[in-house]
Amino acid sequence: QKEVEQDPGPLSVPEGAIVSLNCTYSNSAFQYFMWYRQYSRKGPELLMYTYSSGNKEDGRFTAQVDKSSKYISLFIRDSQPSDSATYLCAMTISGNTPLVFGKGTRLSVIA
Amino acid sequence: GAGVSQSPSNKVTEKGKDVELRCDPISGHTALYWYRQSLGQGLEFLIYFQGNSAPDKSGLPSDRFSAERTGGSVSTLTIQRTQQEDSAVYLCASSLASGVNEQFFGPGTRLTVL
Repeated sequence: QKEVEQDPGPLSVPEGAIVSLNCTYSNSAFQYFMWYRQYSRKGPELLMYTYSSGNKEDGRFTAQVDKSSKYISLFIRDSQPSDSATYLCAMTISGNTPLVFGKGTRLSVIA
Repeated sequence: GAGVSQSPSNKVTEKGKDVELRCDPISGHTALYWYRQSLGQGLEFLIYFQGNSAPDKSGLPSDRFSAERTGGSVSTLTIQRTQQEDSAVYLCASSLASGVNEQFFGPGTRLTVL
């Protein structure tokens, strides 16, 4: 079993839909959780950063962490065609330690 | 300000040749990471630098891979005797070393080994 599991998709939704992206993990020591967005042929860019359990909201994006279930989610409201990208979850144990990534979910938002 | 830069953006080489990939981190970032992204595999950690030291090299796949960092800034990843399975995008990231774990990525070097 990989440390971080993420459904690769692809996921295709109509413009304006609510998108739910998820990852599960096996290492209970993970404390820091991130979501990165990666456009084709570009490096990943950080979207959301959460420490421990709870919710965090930033504009149309909401990140949720449930450490008891070892499950994290990213919700995108009012999705736009510009949201079409690969979304990578990542997590780590402590500051400045390497991130462990999911394989990424490819999202297409259709106008 | 400038982000993380990497060069070259693309590299095509023949099997058995050596290659050098360069990363320029964000100014003031003391932590630097190398990752590899292969088709269908996601990002895999290779090596981590804190200043010029590499406390974690656990992700380097073989002794053909090495990396160094000089002056607490630029880093070079070297792959000797390249193999076809080395074909991937090599990504560099940097972060501040004060417990903040936001890693900022460069655009990557796409390596193709023929």
